[in-house]
Amino acid sequence: NAGVTQTPKFQVLKTGQSMTLQCAQDMNHNSMYWYRQDPGMGLRLIYYSASEGTTDKGEVPNGYNVSRLNKREFSLRLESAAPSQTSVYFCASSEARLEPSNQPQHFGDGTRLSIL
Amino acid sequence: AQKITQTQPGMFVQEKEAVTLDCTYDTSDQSYGLFWYKQPSSGEMIFLIYQGSYDEQNATEGRYSLNFQKARKSANLVISASQLGDSAMYFCAMREGQGGKLIFGQGTELSVKP
Repeated sequence: NAGVTQTPKFQVLKTGQSMTLQCAQDMNHNSMYWYRQDPGMGLRLIYYSASEGTTDKGEVPNGYNVSRLNKREFSLRLESAAPSQTSVYFCASSEARLEPSNQPQHFGDGTRLSIL
Repeated sequence: AQKITQTQPGMFVQEKEAVTLDCTYDTSDQSYGLFWYKQPSSGEMIFLIYQGSYDEQNATEGRYSLNFQKARKSANLVISASQLGDSAMYFCAMREGQGGKLIFGQGTELSVKP
């Protein structure tokens, strides 16, 4: 019963390097999300995918790209990492398609990313 | 714009006592959902409780209950009989628009004292 799996759990990058964070869910959910969590700021939405084949920007999309590879997988790419992107990144999934919905988002354990 | 506000950065409570964590929200939508999540020091996000804008009863899940006051736009989390394991960050979140996106408050750090 894995739920939402994120890889890697930790990563250190140098400024300018690129990286892809991977996320997979085994709950057959239609919607997937990427958030970042910075101290004192809660979680902020980077990108989301309401259903397979669609992606949309969230609150803080600059510097990121995403790919909804299939229904299970949703990856987040940093093309040229910057120190401001040092954060904890969470992937989540849910069954919500139409509003209102009481289906919660299920979160992965997060990826701690440091950019030097 | 939709917004979630948690005004208590940190709270202390004695073990076995009840505690209320505040959450106010701002939205022009008639239909919305409110969620509470717990984040222990290990970092994972754990769903606790949900309240829909059309729900007439306050939500309850075990020791967690939600004091929903729609006119005041507040959705406070009440934890009864606090336990040491309740020490964690608590986030209030609102489901926004289509696609199930959540917007989060800044969180409240709860410390339970023995």
